Formats: sequence, structure tokens, C-alpha cells
Amino acid sequence: GAGVSQSPRYKVAKRGQDVALRCDPISGHVSLFWYQQALGQGPEFLTYFQNEAQLDKSGLPSDRFFAERPEGSVSTLKIQRTQQEDSAVYLCASSEKPAGSYGYTFGSGTRLTVV
Amino acid sequence: QQQVKQSPQSLIVQKGGISIINCAYENTAFDYFPWYQQFPGKGPALLIAIRPDVSEKKEGRFTISFNKSAKQFSLHIMDSQPGDSATYFCAARGDSGSARQLTFGSGTQLTVLP
Repeated sequence: GAGVSQSPRYKVAKRGQDVALRCDPISGHVSLFWYQQALGQGPEFLTYFQNEAQLDKSGLPSDRFFAERPEGSVSTLKIQRTQQEDSAVYLCASSEKPAGSYGYTFGSGTRLTVV
Repeated sequence: QQQVKQSPQSLIVQKGGISIINCAYENTAFDYFPWYQQFPGKGPALLIAIRPDVSEKKEGRFTISFNKSAKQFSLHIMDSQPGDSATYFCAARGDSGSARQLTFGSGTQLTVLP
């Protein structure tokens, strides 16, 4: 597709449920980022992939968060045993160049609400 | 902790007026300063960006002013239009780590009145 596609657009989970959020980056893009955007705040970095390698996961808030990109294209962010504080918009971004390039394209995000 | 501080939190401007949003940063090793525009339900979209070796960059109605010594940069929107109503985020790119991720400000909600 022409842009970064994320699904689902909206997800409501009961506290304690596991969720999986999908990101389809722009075809051929090497870099893929996940960010978390709380209501009324700027995005915060979660993790970075270069192709299939997860090179930085320093922003993942707890070991309940796990991300993968097994074939270097589609990525999945998984949150286990969701908590209310996990409620946020999860943004995926991709870039054709490795990290450090100037600018990347964001998807529209998945809005997760934990009830 | 790397930080980028943004102000004001919200801004209301009349059509045709100038919108000014300010940001300040702490890490002198930041090397790239973009501004993003975000509409409700959409992801942030790159608007304009500047590197620290330049003091000003202009693209159409949008100008970034950069003051390296003060560690501040600002976005000026000239001839503001109702279609510019959105949330604006400043950001700075990190100098360390393999991700070189962006650190975002907290955002400014701009409303341009017709």
C-alpha cells in the first residue's frame, strides 16, 4: 500500500487480556518503529527494528510488552495481561533507510482501551 | 532523561494571523529537529524540519527558527488558515542508541478561527 497500515484501528480489552496489534509498513522499508501516545501527550518511543532485527527495545515499559518482525516486513506488538495504564494510541512508523535517516512515515495508529 | 518542552498547550488564532509555537530542549547532542502535524484519528505527519547548523528554514507558510545557544526552536505559521487547525508536535532526534528515536514535545492544539 501507499502508507503504513495498522490494525485494528480500535481495540477494547478487558483488564488482564492479551492483545496483538499489527503494523504493515510501506513495502521495502528497512526501519520500523513503535511509539505509544497517551491522551493529550506526544508519542513516546517503544522499540525499533531494522529489517527483522530488534535493535532497540529500551522504551518498552514492562516485560508484558513484546514486539516482533519475523520476516522484516509486518510487525506485531503484543501486550500481555493488559492494565488500564496501557490505554493509549499505539503508532507504527517506517522508513526506507536505517535509523538516523531524516523522517519517517507514521500510520494512523491503534487506539487501545483497557476496561 | 531527554526532554523536549513545548508551549503553549493550546493556541487560538484568527484566520490570517501568525501562529507561534515554541520548544526548548536539554540535550545538546540532538541533531535533527522536526515538527509534526496531527489531525484527530491520524498519525503525526512531518511538516518541516531543521538541522542545528541552520538558524532558519522556510517552506511555504511554515518557518522554523532555531537558536542553538539558547537550545530553543519555534514554528511560525504565517497567514494561518482554518485547515491548519490540528495538534502540532516538536521533536528532536537522539544522538545515541541504535534507534536514534525521536523525543516529542507534549503538543500544541491550534485552532484557527474563520
